[in-house]
Amino acid sequence: KAGVTQTPRYLIKTRGQQVTLSCSPISGHRSVSWYQQTPGQGLQFLFEYFSETQRNKGNFPGRFSGRQFSNSRSEMNVSTLELGDSALYLCASSLLARGKETQYFGPGTRLLVL
Amino acid sequence: DQQVKQNSPSLSVQEGRISILNCDYTNSMFDYFLWYKKYPAEGPTFLISISSIKDKNEDGRFTVFLNKSAKHLSLHIVPSQPGDSAVYFCAASGTGGSYIPTFGRGTSLIVHP
Repeated sequence: KAGVTQTPRYLIKTRGQQVTLSCSPISGHRSVSWYQQTPGQGLQFLFEYFSETQRNKGNFPGRFSGRQFSNSRSEMNVSTLELGDSALYLCASSLLARGKETQYFGPGTRLLVL
Repeated sequence: DQQVKQNSPSLSVQEGRISILNCDYTNSMFDYFLWYKKYPAEGPTFLISISSIKDKNEDGRFTVFLNKSAKHLSLHIVPSQPGDSAVYFCAASGTGGSYIPTFGRGTSLIVHP
């Protein structure tokens, strides 16, 4: 069974630009969550999608948005990029995400904002 | 306000010895706990989990202990191997509240040959 895939793996943007990251979950998994990891910080939760609906949202500004398609693939978008948005963005999938369930992570997209 | 804390940013041990990684949490609604291992340039990989109805779970060289009264859990790796060198994240979730896991900031483990 293929794991979680994320594209692109690396990205360089400049301040003010926008970026779209893509995530394909494990086949059959319907829940997709996005996290931001910065040096010295844990994984900070961005949002979770289930059946094309955003079910949970973390404490990030509205510049961060996402969506999920009918095949469970998900995209996240960051508009008006800031230097502080430089981070590793991780996508995780799980079957239903109803607690006591393991999330499986992709390799991440490393975003550098100059 | 950190609900899941890993107070040791790094830990260094000798190959063959025991590695003990610690994690504290503050939210009493958490009832499911996980440990993930992360190598550079890779996503976190699930290692082991424990439900609050247990106080110990073992999987090969890895054992997680849960002390609910102290809101503390620990991961023991015995014996430690150089390939265990990675960042370890503790995570907690609660079926009573949000099931989205809350992660600690990680502990970097270095196992010296």
